[in-house]
Amino acid sequence: DTGVSQDPRHKITKRGQNVTFRCDPISEHNRLYWYRQTLGQGPEFLTYFQNEAQLEKSRLLSDRFSAERPKGSFSTLEIQRTEQGDSAMYLCASARTGATGELFFGEGSRLTVL
Amino acid sequence: AQSVTQLGSHVSVSEGALVLLRCNYSSSVPPYLFWYVQYPNQGLQLLLKYTTGATLVKGINGFEAEFKKSETSFHLTKPSAHMSDAAEYFCAVSREYGNKLVFGAGTILRVKS
Repeated sequence: DTGVSQDPRHKITKRGQNVTFRCDPISEHNRLYWYRQTLGQGPEFLTYFQNEAQLEKSRLLSDRFSAERPKGSFSTLEIQRTEQGDSAMYLCASARTGATGELFFGEGSRLTVL
Repeated sequence: AQSVTQLGSHVSVSEGALVLLRCNYSSSVPPYLFWYVQYPNQGLQLLLKYTTGATLVKGINGFEAEFKKSETSFHLTKPSAHMSDAAEYFCAVSREYGNKLVFGAGTILRVKS
C-alpha cells in the first residue's frame, strides 16, 4: 500500500495562469475524490469519479475547473485563469466501492495565487 | 442534505487531562460517522469510524467516540492528553451515494505542558 500521492505539493502562480494537479490513488481503489480546503475550514467536496466516470460535481466547481480520470487510474484537476480566491489546499482521496465510507487522503497540493 | 457541526474551533487542555471534542450531525438516513486528524503539512488520517453495530468505537492513539442517535452526536474523547495529540480534528458524515464525506469545520487541539 503506497498510499495516495499528489503532485506538486506546492504551486505558486500568478493570477490568470493555468495550473494542473495530479493524483495517484491507491491502486485497487476505483473511487477517487477531490476536495478543497481553505484556512479555518474543513475539506469541501469538489467532485468524484468511479473508475473513469465523473459521477458528481459540486457547485463549487466553476467552469474554470475541470477534472479527468481518463483510464480510471490517476486523475488531474486543472484550474484555468486562476484567481486569488482559488488559493487553497487541494486534497485527493480514494476508496473502494462497497467499503464502509472510509476515504484515504493524500497530503494535498497547496496552491497560492499571487 | 447532510451536515456536521463541531463545537469549538479551538480546544486547549493540559497534558494528562481529558480530551473532549464535540460533533453533532444531521442526516436523513442512518449515517456513517468519522473522525479524522490532520497534523501540520500532512494529509488527513482516519482516527475512527462508526458504521453499524456497537455505538462506542475505539480508534488509534487511545481515542474513542460514542454514537448517540437521540442526540445526533459523535463526540471524540481521550482519557489523558499527550503532547503528540496536538493537531486539527475533523468530524465527517457519510451515507449518500458514492460515500462522499461531508466535513465539519474542524477543531484545533492544543495540549499544554
